Amino acid sequence: GQSLEQPSEVTAVEGAIVQINCTYQTSGFYGLSWYQQHDGGAPTFLSYNALDGLEETGRFSSFLSRSDSYGYLLLQELQMKDSASYFCAVTGGGYQKVTFGTGTKLQVIP
Amino acid sequence: DAGVTQSPTHLIKTRGQQVTLRCSPKSGHDTVSWYQQALGQGPQFIFQYYEEEERQRGNFPDRFSGHQFPNYSSELNVNALLLGDSALYLCASSSLQYNEQFFGPGTRLTVL
Repeated sequence: GQSLEQPSEVTAVEGAIVQINCTYQTSGFYGLSWYQQHDGGAPTFLSYNALDGLEETGRFSSFLSRSDSYGYLLLQELQMKDSASYFCAVTGGGYQKVTFGTGTKLQVIP
Repeated sequence: DAGVTQSPTHLIKTRGQQVTLRCSPKSGHDTVSWYQQALGQGPQFIFQYYEEEERQRGNFPDRFSGHQFPNYSSELNVNALLLGDSALYLCASSSLQYNEQFFGPGTRLTVL
């Protein structure tokens, strides 16, 4: 089956940089995604990594190491609106079968 | 572009009843996935539909069934409701060409 581990909570200061780590176990790996979900809202897609390395999209970057079954989401220049839950999700064990982690609740403080 | 829409927004049922949730995918998307999200947890994959067929299924009992229509919209049916079925049910649409899933606002189901 598939399983993912990520920290449950992270607190960071506005303007700072924060890294959210994710380790996974899966058969037939296709890729690792990151989603953001504000309280009461729906998850929104942030990034997808299929190959090793760093993908950058504005203030957000995502990294993947397939050999280590590890990835992270890097958020720079943190803003108060970045306070949300962040989920890593692995596509594997079947084409387009997506398994989500339990989420990391990020609190940005002034 | 309307994005992914779901109905109803909220639903209250009692144990043993049956429920049907509906989803319309984002324009241009042909694949619909359903997820169950309990409070404080990540979305759990229920199943995925493509070309009106169930392509993938998560670890959910047969009480959970679905359907996809020729216009790509989809329904999730849950029979013999249990208290533990209370959750936010999310629909996500995508295209096989891309890895990004677009989520709808969800249906909050409460089973009493």
